[in-house]
Amino acid sequence: AQTVTQSQPEMSVQEAETVTLSCTYDTSESNYYLFWYKQPPSRQMILVIRQEAYKQQNATENRFSVNFQKAAKSFSLKISDSQLGDTAMYFCAFMKESGGSNYKLTFGKGTLLTVNP
Amino acid sequence: DAGVIQSPRHEVTEMGQEVTLRCKPISGHNSLFWYRQTMMRGLELLIYFNNNVPIDDSGMPEDRFSAKMPNASFSTLKIQPSEPRDSAVYFCASRRAGGSYNEQFFGPGTRLTVL
Repeated sequence: AQTVTQSQPEMSVQEAETVTLSCTYDTSESNYYLFWYKQPPSRQMILVIRQEAYKQQNATENRFSVNFQKAAKSFSLKISDSQLGDTAMYFCAFMKESGGSNYKLTFGKGTLLTVNP
Repeated sequence: DAGVIQSPRHEVTEMGQEVTLRCKPISGHNSLFWYRQTMMRGLELLIYFNNNVPIDDSGMPEDRFSAKMPNASFSTLKIQPSEPRDSAVYFCASRRAGGSYNEQFFGPGTRLTVL
């Protein structure tokens, strides 16, 4: 079974600064997908960024980027130029590439990020 | 597109009562997931349907929980009888076959409180 660990329950950052959220995972699979989801106080789960394990290039989406280290099974999220609207719970998630049968997401426990003005 | 629709958004009930949560997936999506979020256990998958057929129900906690998907546009999660430990936020998510990166789109969730 896969496990996802987020070792930072809470973090804070000043507006406009950069912050990195950590995520490690454990799997015996070679092909899989990794995701970061954001959950603001509205409770809505929003996909922030995704990475396919076979791609060596780190994914980027505007101010959001990842550092994917496959050998180390690490998938950290970097938020640049932090904005007040980035305040949310952030979840790291894993999905194995199952060849069409099971698309279950396994989530970490989350990191509560607070952006301070 | 309206996104994944869940109802009700909030439900307060008393222990022993039957609770039914509803979900309408995004049109054209053929996979549907029910997740539960609690402080203690985080987000966990309860059950997953593909083309209206249950594929993985290993996360369903016990026989008090049941889920159905009678057609491609509707699913229910029922708890009977409900217990205080069932209090949680229940999310429904859907996915389109062949969709990019296997992305799942989440509904707004139903906050259930069992007194």
